[in-house]
Amino acid sequence: DQQVKQNSPSLSVQEGRISILNCDYTNSMFDYFLWYKKYPAEGPTFLISISSIKDKNEDGRFTVFLNKSAKHLSLHIVPSQPGDSAVYFCAASAKEYGNKLVFGAGTILRVKS
Amino acid sequence: DARVTQTPRHKVTEMGQEVTMRCQPILGHNTVFWYRQTMMQGLELLAYFRNRAPLDDSGMPKDRFSAEMPDATLATLKIQPSEPRDSAVYFCASGSPYGYTFGSGTRLTVV
Repeated sequence: DQQVKQNSPSLSVQEGRISILNCDYTNSMFDYFLWYKKYPAEGPTFLISISSIKDKNEDGRFTVFLNKSAKHLSLHIVPSQPGDSAVYFCAASAKEYGNKLVFGAGTILRVKS
Repeated sequence: DARVTQTPRHKVTEMGQEVTMRCQPILGHNTVFWYRQTMMQGLELLAYFRNRAPLDDSGMPKDRFSAEMPDATLATLKIQPSEPRDSAVYFCASGSPYGYTFGSGTRLTVV
């Protein structure tokens, strides 16, 4: 039972354009959402997060949007750079579940120069 | 630069052998997770500890996997006996709910 879903296994974007990565969740108890980025042979690294009391959080080129009614969040990268090529994982947590992170399957982003 | 240290980085073993993976969490972090990355499932939670006490190990096959934290500086994940389907990358992470830090992982291959 996949509570966090990333339905696009991969995405290819031209350098300088916007990358939009999507994530859906099924559990309405989730109250905190995170994006992690992973390069080959390395562990995932924290990128950006958002609390359920917000609908947007921005950090430089990265913006996360949360639509609670649709149980959907997205990560926007503008402008995309070749160094952004990596696997992006969406994750969610809930205080009721001890704040353990539930991850999606990941989306491979390729930024072409 | 604080980091989570995992050993070994790579492990190749024969089916039926015991495998032990080790993790040194960041000093002061009281929550430690074990995740497994597979192609099909992404990052699966195997077990996690808070203040060294196991909170949830429901993601772990109990008959062959065990996870412990003998002290605050060491977490272990053991597989006995190992099977080819256990081949994956195993990650340890420590931190707070607002940003966990992952180690570089142990790539396990069971032949």
